[in-house]
Amino acid sequence: GAVVSQHPSWVICKSGTSVKIECRSLDFQATTMFWYRQFPKQSLMLMATSNEGSKATYEQGVEKDKFLINHASLTLSTLTVTSAHPEDSSFYICSATRDLTYNEQFFGPGTRLTVL
Amino acid sequence: AQTVTQSQPEMSVQEAETVTLSCTYDTSENNYYLFWYKQPPSRQMILVIRQEAYKQQNATENRFSVNFQKAAKSFSLKISDSQLGDTAMYFCAFMLYNFNKFYFGSGTKLNVKP
Repeated sequence: GAVVSQHPSWVICKSGTSVKIECRSLDFQATTMFWYRQFPKQSLMLMATSNEGSKATYEQGVEKDKFLINHASLTLSTLTVTSAHPEDSSFYICSATRDLTYNEQFFGPGTRLTVL
Repeated sequence: AQTVTQSQPEMSVQEAETVTLSCTYDTSENNYYLFWYKQPPSRQMILVIRQEAYKQQNATENRFSVNFQKAAKSFSLKISDSQLGDTAMYFCAFMLYNFNKFYFGSGTKLNVKP
């Protein structure tokens, strides 16, 4: 159990367009979902935390108007990169937790975004 | 603030040998969890082992074990009988109790050589 999927796994888009990435918990209800960004050979950088039905909490330095996060249900969170530019090219990973007492995050397989 | 430090950017080990990856952390809290995650070339994050700070006994999972020194704020990972499939990036992570935010270290790239 505790499987998290992401779609798409790889996306290429033109500069100025918007891209939506989906994160789904397949066999559990995710009270909280997290979005990370990872540059090559670097660690995961937390971008934001989202709880179902409420606004996401963004980490310092992350543009909330640039990276729109919607946690519409207990199994789905989406990250939309608006007006993407080449510097937004990166690997985006989501994770989910079942509840606060479980204290473990389950990671999705990641989405590679390339902006031309 | 919580910080996690991995001082070894890259390490190599011969197949079947033992290797230890280092991790230190800093926190003023008393209740927390520590994790080691593996990220192979597929980039899927895989939980290797987890330690509750209130437990004195070091966690073990088959060939993987930790040396948790709470006073020293140290959390090293020992991999015994290294296998080629252990080649990956390894991240140490810290999580406060009842607050599911992770703090990750910078990672250690482990190469297992045949």
